[in-house]
Amino acid sequence: NAGVTQTPKFQVLKTGQSMTLQCAQDMNHEYMSWYRQDPGMGLRLIHYSVGAGITDQGEVPNGYNVSRSTTEDFPLRLLSAAPSQTSVYFCASSSTTGANNQPQHFGDGTRLSIL
Amino acid sequence: DQQVKQNSPSLSVQEGRISILNCDYTNSMFDYFLWYKKYPAEGPTFLISISSIKDKNEDGRFTVFLNKSAKHLSLHIVPSQPGDSAVYFCAAYAPSGTYKYIFGTGTRLKVLA
Repeated sequence: NAGVTQTPKFQVLKTGQSMTLQCAQDMNHEYMSWYRQDPGMGLRLIHYSVGAGITDQGEVPNGYNVSRSTTEDFPLRLLSAAPSQTSVYFCASSSTTGANNQPQHFGDGTRLSIL
Repeated sequence: DQQVKQNSPSLSVQEGRISILNCDYTNSMFDYFLWYKKYPAEGPTFLISISSIKDKNEDGRFTVFLNKSAKHLSLHIVPSQPGDSAVYFCAAYAPSGTYKYIFGTGTRLKVLA
């Protein structure tokens, strides 16, 4: 009964380093997304995917890449970490397609600090 | 430009009383709205949702009201309990448009025993 699993839970990087945040779901959900949560800013959408092989940009995509080679996995890549990317990152998934609206299920987050 | 707004960053309510959390949106393409609850160090968990074809949805102590003409929704919690103390996010979705779930900035609810 894993749901949405994010790894790692915590990470400290130096400016300029690259890293991949992992997200996996075992519910066969088509829709997956990445958010960052910052104080006073709520949850801001970084990238999302409506199915394997399909990704699109959210509200704050700069500095991040994603790919969706399988239904289960949706990794988020930081190409060259910057202090402004210090945040808590959440991955979510849902079975929403078309008019079949369903709520998203969230992972427990990755707390990332960039020094 | 923030499409989903929660103008009250915090709210304190006495145990047993009603908690009312508000959310406004600007995009008329949104037709599915959700409320999530978030405890510290955990991911958000789904609470209740409403489709734009309805103006009210109820689930136990939680009721969501939607006023499409005003582009406003609210979450009512009755009676409030100390375990309800958390951050509440509203979110909106446009399945026929951008396929994006857009979240508000959250309201921190504190229920006082």
